[in-house]
Formats: sequence, C-alpha cells, structure tokens
Amino acid sequence: GAGVSQSPSNKVTEKGKDVELRCDPISGHTALYWYRQSLGQGLEFLIYFQGNSAPDKSGLPSDRFSAERTGGSVSTLTIQRTQQEDSAVYLCASSDERVEAFFGQGTRLTVV
Amino acid sequence: DQQVKQNSPSLSVQEGRISILNCDYTNSMFDYFLWYKKYPAEGPTFLISISSIKDKNEDGRFTVFLNKSAKHLSLHIVPSQPGDSAVYFCAASERNTPLVFGKGTRLSVIA
Repeated sequence: GAGVSQSPSNKVTEKGKDVELRCDPISGHTALYWYRQSLGQGLEFLIYFQGNSAPDKSGLPSDRFSAERTGGSVSTLTIQRTQQEDSAVYLCASSDERVEAFFGQGTRLTVV
Repeated sequence: DQQVKQNSPSLSVQEGRISILNCDYTNSMFDYFLWYKKYPAEGPTFLISISSIKDKNEDGRFTVFLNKSAKHLSLHIVPSQPGDSAVYFCAASERNTPLVFGKGTRLSVIA
C-alpha cells in the first residue's frame, strides 16, 4: 500500500506479557517515529529513527520499551513485561526529507 | 515541561462560521509548525504547515498564522463544516528532530 501500515490494529494482552508492534513505513521514507496516545492525552513521543543515525530514544518511558528498524525500513516496537499503564494507541509515522510526517492507523494496546 | 501547548481542550462552532484553534510554544528554536487532524480510531492526518520564515499559509478553507514574537500560531477554518469535527493537534519541529505535539483541541461543528 501507499501509506504507513501498522499491525496488529488491536492487541489485548495480559499484564506481564511481552508484545511486539510492527510498522511498515512509506517506501523511501528515511525517518520513522513512534508515538503513543493514552486516553484523553496528546501524542507522546517515544523514539525516532533518521536514516543511518543512532535513534533518538529520549521518549521511551522505561527500559521495558525498545524499538528497532531493520534495513532502514520496517520497525518493531517491543514492550516487555507489560503493565496496565502501557495501555494506549501506539502510532507510527514516517517522513522523507520534508518535515511532514504521515501516520499509520495505530495499534490499540489493552493490557488486562 | 510542555513545549507545545493547546490550552483549549474543546471548541464548538456553528456550521458556516469561522473556527479558530490556538497553539503556543516555548522553544524559540522551532522552525516549522504543522497542524494535524484526527478522527476517532484513525491516525492523525497532516493538514497544513508553515515555516518560521512566513507568517501566513493558506490552503483552501484552512489558514495558519504564525506570530513568532508571541510564540503563537493559530489555525483558521472558514467556513466550518460538520466534517471538520475532529481533534486538531498542533506540532512543532527543529531541523532533524522529532515533531513535538500539543495535547489537541476537539472541534465540534454544529449543523
């Protein structure tokens, strides 16, 4: 497809389990972002990949969160030992040399 | 500390009237500003942007104004339509850094 694709669209997991969220950016986009939106909150920055540079991980809320981007394309966000406060919509976006980032539809994560 | 602030969580406007959404920022290094629109259960979609070298950018019914001295920008929608009802996020960027978003303003356009 032409847009940013995220999978799964919904994920329900038990507290303490690990989850992996996937993002397929727009082909050719060098920058990739992960944000999350908790209920009633704005978009919270998590991590940013730009080309071959070291990722900006300054937004990751704890060491249970990690992300990688393989081959400069697909990205996976991993949350280990999930907690109820991790419940949110996780949004991935990508951009080219322009600033405008294009978002996927998000993954709604519910930790029960 | 929030670098991008949208102080109005919600706004209601009559169809056909003007909607004005406001945004303030604190980081004087921001050089690019964007507005996104978000419908429920969808990702945000890019709406309009403005570079810090300009003070106005217009695209159809949407106009963004930037007042750098006041560190303030606004989005004007005229005329407002029911389909414009959504959450609007203001975002700002320094070169090669991730976008910083405000908490959003929920716009309701009443028919």
